[in-house]
Amino acid sequence: EAQVTQNPRYLITVTGKKLTVTCSQNMNHEYMSWYRQDPGLGLRQIYYSMNVEVTDKGDVPEGYKVSRKEKRNFPLILESPSPNQTSLYFCASSPPSGRYGYTFGSGTRLTVV
Amino acid sequence: GEDVEQSLFLSVREGDSSVINCTYTDSSSTYLYWYKQEPGAGLQLLTYIFSNMDMKQDQRLTVLLNKKDKHLSLRIADTQTGDSAIYFCAESEWGGGNKLTFGTGTQLKVEL
Repeated sequence: EAQVTQNPRYLITVTGKKLTVTCSQNMNHEYMSWYRQDPGLGLRQIYYSMNVEVTDKGDVPEGYKVSRKEKRNFPLILESPSPNQTSLYFCASSPPSGRYGYTFGSGTRLTVV
Repeated sequence: GEDVEQSLFLSVREGDSSVINCTYTDSSSTYLYWYKQEPGAGLQLLTYIFSNMDMKQDQRLTVLLNKKDKHLSLRIADTQTGDSAIYFCAESEWGGGNKLTFGTGTQLKVEL
């Protein structure tokens, strides 16, 4: 089944403790992206990648890092999480053609206390 | 920067038509999308429309695009309780990272 898989689904952590949210897609998509969803704000792009070793900042990149060492994986790293990073995070992937839009993962609900 | 706006809530009766509206500011949008988010789930692409189209129909879904007014709408015919969800409008100037700019989402509630 074609899908984007994120792990974990739920995570509660403490301020300052480094964490990684993994994302993997099995569709051989070139483009991958991370979004965060907050009430009243919709989804905002954190980082995106157009291919292996090519990443760039989205609208809200502060406090996050990403890497794209392999085509299928695009982990999101929070080096020193803070409470304002408590949010619902989505990884997504797409082929270069816009007609397919992005395929989204099921989300990771992160709480930083 | 780009901005996409939607109303927050819509309530309809089962069997009626639902119309969810969206306005956007980026005149260079190439694709416009409608996504559906059910509770506890990710976003599911419902349909898209290319910017040179006025209308697209896909079974119960009809998308209308008024490019002059930068207005997009999604009509759901014969709305069912299973259509209750949050609907997001998104626009993209495809290429250069394919960034999607989302609206805040419209919560559709279908009542019996």
